[in-house]
Amino acid sequence: GQQLNQSPQSMFIQEGEDVSMNCTSSSIFNTWLWYKQDPGEGPVLLIALYKAGELTSNGRLTAQFGITRKDSFLNISASIPSDVGIYFCAGRDNYGQNFVFGPGTRLSVLP
Amino acid sequence: GAVVSQHPSRVICKSGTSVKIECRSLDFQATTMFWYRQFPKQSLMLMATSNEGSKATYEQGVEKDKFLINHASLTLSTLTVTSAHPEDSSFYICSASRVSNEQFFGPGTRLTVL
Repeated sequence: GQQLNQSPQSMFIQEGEDVSMNCTSSSIFNTWLWYKQDPGEGPVLLIALYKAGELTSNGRLTAQFGITRKDSFLNISASIPSDVGIYFCAGRDNYGQNFVFGPGTRLSVLP
Repeated sequence: GAVVSQHPSRVICKSGTSVKIECRSLDFQATTMFWYRQFPKQSLMLMATSNEGSKATYEQGVEKDKFLINHASLTLSTLTVTSAHPEDSSFYICSASRVSNEQFFGPGTRLTVL
């Protein structure tokens, strides 16, 4: 079946640094979603991407839908302590009803 | 918009009892609702997908008689964990999808079976 890989699995950064993480797929997707999950809570949708090459921002977050349609990137600029959490990507192809979720990238921000 | 609620947020029950978890889309009609299970420090594991008025589609390895799903309306789905045992203790999260296809998650329900 479809699988998503996310890298890095975890990262520790200093407050104020920029962050970059990515998500890759073994198959082509037509929709990519990025979520953030805080401990003990449900994931919150950050950015949705619908077209290859699309670049979308949400505040300090920017995500891109890869040209090959097999990957997506999420960047966070000027990180702050509240950026701590797990970031999940999710993708879906033209035929699937369900989204496939990646294993997540755990972000820690050091003061 | 796109708010999904879950009730209860936490539940502790004795082994052998059944527990019902509700998932509601508060400000939109959900074409599809999903139920996930999440173990500590792990990703989301899809348990089942349900469309209003039809039987849920369960993922491989998920017992349909153990995890009963009812999707009564376009805004409500329920998950009942029947005869719960300690190994069923987990974080259960629902999500709802609207026509635009994004999935919006509820806040989750932490189930502890003693």
